[in-house]
Amino acid sequence: DAMVIQNPRYQVTQFGKPVTLSCSQTLNHNVMYWYQQKSSQAPKLLFHYYDKDFNNEADTPDNFQSRRPNTSFCFLDIRSPGLGDTAMYLCATRRTGDSLVLTEAFFGQGTRLTVV
Amino acid sequence: QKEVEQNSGPLSVPEGAIASLNCTYSDRGSQSFFWYRQYSGKSPELIMSIYSNGDKEDGRFTAQLNKASQYVSLLIRDSQPSDSATYLCAGYTGGGNKLTFGTGTQLKVEL
Repeated sequence: DAMVIQNPRYQVTQFGKPVTLSCSQTLNHNVMYWYQQKSSQAPKLLFHYYDKDFNNEADTPDNFQSRRPNTSFCFLDIRSPGLGDTAMYLCATRRTGDSLVLTEAFFGQGTRLTVV
Repeated sequence: QKEVEQNSGPLSVPEGAIASLNCTYSDRGSQSFFWYRQYSGKSPELIMSIYSNGDKEDGRFTAQLNKASQYVSLLIRDSQPSDSATYLCAGYTGGGNKLTFGTGTQLKVEL
């Protein structure tokens, strides 16, 4: 059973037309990540939530926003997509515990976004 | 200097051989490291995690961590064509929850 679910799997949007990608999880993990991965490149962290605390990477464009209304759901909003935003968008989750060890993150299937 | 670095490959090995994948990191404070496998067009899938110096074995996979040298490696024994994928090395950097990936090494296992 899929535990981190991203919707939609594929999205085509027009240049400048706002788009929202969603991520839900049944793992009750408190940390959620959004990554952007372009062809043949490493996943690039856009932002992450530690519980309700939002952490934005310094080089994440202002065009990208995120919402986390509750533990289970997280959204990525792209306000005015450009052609350069065509990429795979990956959501990942992680649970923090009592240990100081930082454990693994689990990924959803990804949303492949194409801006035309 | 990139926080996590890998050779992009491609690395080609014959079926049944040992594939050796390498990764270096710059943040000496990083403690946890991971190897993810990613097939073309799919999302990363965790195959190994390692938290302490030394070797960790799981089936055909062995991860090695050397904190003094800031080096992580993955060995795949008895390589199969189904192992052909991109292998991503990842670690937490910056003292917090930022999980940073290397650019990945493309592995091709040839018949």
